Amino acid sequence: NAGVMQNPRHLVRRRGQEARLRCSPMKGHSHVYWYRQLPEEGLKFMVYLQKENIIDESGMPKERFSAEFPKEGPSILRIQQVVRGDSAAYFCASSPPWGPPSGANVLTFGAGSRLTVL
Amino acid sequence: GNSVTQMEGPVTLSEEAFLTINCTYTATGYPSLFWYVQYPGEGLQLLLKATKADDKGSNKGFEATYRKETTSFHLEKGSVQVSDSAVYFCALSDRVTGNQFYFGTGTSLTVIP
Repeated sequence: NAGVMQNPRHLVRRRGQEARLRCSPMKGHSHVYWYRQLPEEGLKFMVYLQKENIIDESGMPKERFSAEFPKEGPSILRIQQVVRGDSAAYFCASSPPWGPPSGANVLTFGAGSRLTVL
Repeated sequence: GNSVTQMEGPVTLSEEAFLTINCTYTATGYPSLFWYVQYPGEGLQLLLKATKADDKGSNKGFEATYRKETTSFHLEKGSVQVSDSAVYFCALSDRVTGNQFYFGTGTSLTVIP
């Protein structure tokens, strides 16, 4: 039972290029979360998606960043016209459909994609 | 709103020392509480969780008790090992605010032989 798969694990881009990060959730998981981790900093929420829906994108920068989770295929975090400040580790996490209110869901994380902008 | 506050790091301990990492939270509803651990170069892994007040989560010698009266979920281990060196994140999820997860800033732990 494969876990959350992220690729690429490492990505190097020059300023102004585009970065695409992919995330395949665990089997049976329909919710995907993206987080960014800057060096020596904590985890910053970016976006929460279900299939074909963005539920909460309050952590996404207003420009250059977008995310999708299509009906088929992985979730994709896209960063256009990258700048050096985008260099970070980007983590994807998934969870199953939320059950009864008394239940607790758990996030399962991927190993991350480390973006370096030259 | 919802938030998690963790003690500042980094924390450095000798092997077999007692560990406490403080975590307090604010929540609008009845949250579930979690500790995640991140080893160098890896993603976060669930360490333990508690879903209601007075629950104790435990795993690998680590424990944390959900204290509603003090809104805390402190992580403890009686005797740390070098292999426990990692970053520890406290987190909460709250169904009331739409299935969202909130993480603390993380506490780096280094255990020296």
